[in-house]
Amino acid sequence: DQQVKQNSPSLSVQEGRISILNCDYTNSMFDYFLWYKKYPAEGPTFLISISSIKDKNEDGRFTVFLNKSAKHLSLHIVPSQPGDSAVYFCAASGDGTASKLTFGTGTRLQVTL
Amino acid sequence: EAQVTQNPRYLITVTGKKLTVTCSQNMNHEYMSWYRQDPGLGLRQIYYSMNVEVTDKGDVPEGYKVSRKEKRNFPLILESPSPNQTSLYFCASSSWSHLTDTQYFGPGTRLTVL
Repeated sequence: DQQVKQNSPSLSVQEGRISILNCDYTNSMFDYFLWYKKYPAEGPTFLISISSIKDKNEDGRFTVFLNKSAKHLSLHIVPSQPGDSAVYFCAASGDGTASKLTFGTGTRLQVTL
Repeated sequence: EAQVTQNPRYLITVTGKKLTVTCSQNMNHEYMSWYRQDPGLGLRQIYYSMNVEVTDKGDVPEGYKVSRKEKRNFPLILESPSPNQTSLYFCASSSWSHLTDTQYFGPGTRLTVL
């Protein structure tokens, strides 16, 4: 049973436009959410996180939105750059830390020129 | 340079031949963990360790062992590998203060069990 779902396996966006990556979860006990970015042949790297007490967190070009009632979070990248092309994983935790993470299946983002 | 290292990066082996994948971090992190990544399943936690001599099962621990005798090292042991353990494995670490942020991942070990 996949508790964290990323229903779009891939997404293609033009450079300069907004990329929106979506993530849904089923476990209402999750209270901390993270996004990771992964390039081929590398490990995932942390991008941005949000606690369930917030509905938005922003870091430069990256913004994460959390809708607890819908059990949905999204990552917005504005403007998208070719270097953003990677696989993006959302992850969730139920203890407020990143110690026990449940990951989604990933979305491959391709930013085209 | 702060990093998590894994060895080997690539390994092809045969069913039943014991193997160890090493993981080492140079950041003095208390927390370390192992994940496997499989197509369509994302990353799943195998084992984690809160500190030296303290380990616990993650979501998919069957067929794996770990040990944490030193703070910097957290090897993953497959006593009798089987083809369903063919996967991409990641080690990760974090300090307690950073667990409110994230874990730091190694580059991965691609294991094939024939």
